[in-house]
Amino acid sequence: AQTVTQSQPEMSVQEAETVTLSCTYDTSESDYYLFWYKQPPSRQMILVIRQEAYKQQNATENRFSVNFQKAAKSFSLKISDSQLGDAAMYFCAYSGNTDKLIFGTGTRLQVFP
Amino acid sequence: DTGVSQNPRHKITKRGQNVTFRCDPISEHNRLYWYRQTLGQGPEFLTYFQNEAQLEKSRLLSDRFSAERPKGSFSTLEIQRTEQGDSAMYLCASSRSLSYGYTFGSGTRLTVV
Repeated sequence: AQTVTQSQPEMSVQEAETVTLSCTYDTSESDYYLFWYKQPPSRQMILVIRQEAYKQQNATENRFSVNFQKAAKSFSLKISDSQLGDAAMYFCAYSGNTDKLIFGTGTRLQVFP
Repeated sequence: DTGVSQNPRHKITKRGQNVTFRCDPISEHNRLYWYRQTLGQGPEFLTYFQNEAQLEKSRLLSDRFSAERPKGSFSTLEIQRTEQGDSAMYLCASSRSLSYGYTFGSGTRLTVV
């Protein structure tokens, strides 16, 4: 069965600085998708960025980028120029042959002014 | 289109009572998912519909849980004879294709007292 591991329960960053959130996954599938979701306090989950496993190029969405290392089964999220509004729970998620997402346990990101 | 809508936002019920939650997905999305999220954890898959067909049901979903999606539009999740362990946030999401990720609703927070 596929699993997603986020080893950092909490991270903090100063406003305008850069932070990297880690995610590793385990799968025997060759074709899959990876996602990062953001869940602000008491608010709904929002898709931040997605990566297709067959694409070697790392996905980028404005200040958010990923470092996808397929052989190492690693999928980290880099947030550049951090803003106060980036404070949230961040979940890494995997989707393969079964049509559902498998989530990690999340990383709580705090942003300090 | 205003996104995925879930009602009610909060539900407090006494142990042993039945509760029903509703989810209205984005209209052009044919896939609908129910997840459960407890404090400090990532969402756990419960069940999934493609149009009106329920295609997969997690082992987490005991016989007390039932979900429907009549006519492939809105969906309901019913929990019979609620237990304190059912207290959680119940999330609904919809998607037109998993490669695009899910769009989540704001969730229904259930508290069983």
